[in-house]
Amino acid sequence: QVQFVQSGAEVRKPGASVKVSCKASGNTFTSDGIHWVRQAPGQRPEWMAWINGGSGNTKYSQKFQGRLTLTRDTSARTAYMELSSLSSEDTAVYYCARVPGPTGYFDFWGQGTLVTVSS
Amino acid sequence: DVQMTQSPSTLSASVGDRVTITCRASQSISRWLAWYQQKPGKAPKLLIYKASSLQSGVPSRFSGSGSGTEFTLTISGLQPDDFATYYCQQYNSYSYTFGQGTQLEIK
Repeated sequence: QVQFVQSGAEVRKPGASVKVSCKASGNTFTSDGIHWVRQAPGQRPEWMAWINGGSGNTKYSQKFQGRLTLTRDTSARTAYMELSSLSSEDTAVYYCARVPGPTGYFDFWGQGTLVTVSS
Repeated sequence: DVQMTQSPSTLSASVGDRVTITCRASQSISRWLAWYQQKPGKAPKLLIYKASSLQSGVPSRFSGSGSGTEFTLTISGLQPDDFATYYCQQYNSYSYTFGQGTQLEIK
């Protein structure tokens, strides 16, 4: 069974950076896309970016271009999301999620990581 | 980006009811649409993909239909566990956007 376990909640000051990890288990990672989706309080989910677990190729939403970096460690089966220049508008739950093969829906999700940006 | 609009935003219903949620896309997305259920403090759960395909393990009372710009999610015979927020999501050319959500409440 595919499972993603994310790192714990973080608190950052405005202007700082945060790095969230997403560890995969089960039959996944190198053949799938690992996506990052965030959800601000009371808001709809918002897609941020994805990384191909095998090749490491990435694609970013234009909204986050320049301050978002995705990486992965295939030996550790772990994907990472680093967001810089944080502001209060980045306060949200950040999820990693799998898109199986060449599809576009998210079938397995991590439990979410709350990132709070506050001075 | 393709914009997704759901209606209604809130829906009150009783156990056993049949309910329908509508999702409209700002341009044609063929059948590249998924539906999710989300409960407070939890990640979204995939219910339907490719407009009408039922995800493994999801009860058959959930069904989806539509193509192009208009889609529906129907729940036949509401169960207590179904009261949650539902989101549609389109996937088209590496663009992924969600509807604003429909909160399904107990009447």
